[in-house]
Amino acid sequence: NAGVTQTPKFQVLKTGQSMTLQCAQDMNHNSMYWYRQDPGMGLRLIYYSASEGTTDKGEVPNGYNVSRLNKREFSLRLESAAPSQTSVYFCASTKGDSLWEQFFGPGTRLTVL
Amino acid sequence: GEDVEQSLFLSVREGDSSVINCTYTDSSSTYLYWYKQEPGAGLQLLTYIFSNMDMKQDQRLTVLLNKKDKHLSLRIADTQTGDSAIYFCAESPGGFNKFYFGSGTKLNVKP
Repeated sequence: NAGVTQTPKFQVLKTGQSMTLQCAQDMNHNSMYWYRQDPGMGLRLIYYSASEGTTDKGEVPNGYNVSRLNKREFSLRLESAAPSQTSVYFCASTKGDSLWEQFFGPGTRLTVL
Repeated sequence: GEDVEQSLFLSVREGDSSVINCTYTDSSSTYLYWYKQEPGAGLQLLTYIFSNMDMKQDQRLTVLLNKKDKHLSLRIADTQTGDSAIYFCAESPGGFNKFYFGSGTKLNVKP
């Protein structure tokens, strides 16, 4: 099992450019999440998908869109990148049982110039 | 959103005990978690405690929960250099889907 995989690992964008961060899990998990991690601020939830076919906003959804393509894949899109979106982005998944243990991907480090 | 607070840094000597503290706001949280993040990696679940427990011990790790004060702590006994990492406290209000993380405590273990 690869667990949760994310691509790319690193990305540099110019202001106004768009890009999609990819995430996939091979654990047959129901729920998937996108977080951003900024220094001193911990992880903040951008969007989540409780199950295939559903998506919901988290704490900081502005400037982002998501797609739950199928049970395995959950992508995050930045339509018009801004310097404030410079961050490390983590995808996570949970089985959806009572413990709700989250499994995290290795992260994507995004810089917007 | 919920407010989960942690101190940012802790420095200890190898062999000492480390205690990382966390306060949270939502009394309905079913589970409270401690995650560990090593440099350049994602978070990994270290341990958790169910909200009806006061204490949980798992080898070198002891989790204490004071529900009245909404205070959670993680004690690492005999701290090793390999324990150097960032430790995140997290709560899941109502136990459903949404998780709120603290800002993380960077533990530095000096040899």
